[in-house]
Amino acid sequence: GEDVEQSLFLSVREGDSSVINCTYTDSSSTYLYWYKQEPGAGLQLLTYIFSNMDMKQDQRLTVLLNKKDKHLSLRIADTQTGDSAIYFCAEISNFGNEKLTFGTGTRLTIIP
Amino acid sequence: DAGITQSPRHKVTETGTPVTLRCHQTENHRYMYWYRQDPGHGLRLIHYSYGVKDTDKGEVSDGYSVSRSKTEDFLLTLESATSSQTSVYFCAISGREAGGQETQYFGPGTRLLVL
Repeated sequence: GEDVEQSLFLSVREGDSSVINCTYTDSSSTYLYWYKQEPGAGLQLLTYIFSNMDMKQDQRLTVLLNKKDKHLSLRIADTQTGDSAIYFCAEISNFGNEKLTFGTGTRLTIIP
Repeated sequence: DAGITQSPRHKVTETGTPVTLRCHQTENHRYMYWYRQDPGHGLRLIHYSYGVKDTDKGEVSDGYSVSRSKTEDFLLTLESATSSQTSVYFCAISGREAGGQETQYFGPGTRLLVL
C-alpha cells in the first residue's frame, strides 16, 4: 500500500529556517499536502502542491517537490515560536474519493 | 474555518460499552471522514462517506461502524469499546479550495479513553 514517511523530531533556533522532509511511495500521487497541528487542536491545512509542480511559495512557506525521488519538503523561513507544532505531510492516493494518506508527523521545536 | 464540530470532545468509558461520536458540518460537503490519531502512526482512516447512506472502509475499520443519514452528520460507533481504541478521533470534510483542488478540513477532535 501507499506509505508516507517523515522524521519524528526537528529542533530549530528562532529566526533560522526550518526544513521538514517527507518521502512517499505512490508514484500516482496527484496532490501533496502539508498540515500543521498545534497542541490540543485539529489539523490546519498549510499548503498543497500539485504533482506537476516543482515549487510553491506562500509567504514564509516554500514547498519543494522532487517527483523523481518522491521527496517533498516544507521550508519555513524566519521560524518563530508560534511555528512550534507537529507538521504532517499527506498525499492523495486514489483520485476521486479524496482519501489522504498521512505521514507520522514531525514535531518542530523552536529553541529561543 | 470550515464549519465542523465534534461531540463529545472528551469521553471516558469502560471496556465493552458502546460509544458513538458525532461529527456535524455546516458546509454541505459531500465527503466526510473519520480518522484516529495515535503516537507514531500519524492519522489513519477508519471510515469515510461519499454521500448520504454511502460509506466505505478505511485502513483501520475493524471494531468501528458508521452511519450517515443526512448530509450534515456522520456518526462513528464503537460497538464494544476496547482499550486499543483509546485514541484521539478526528472528523474531516472535503471541500474545494479557491484554486479548484479538493482538500480536507478537520474538526477539533475527540479524546476517547477506554478503561
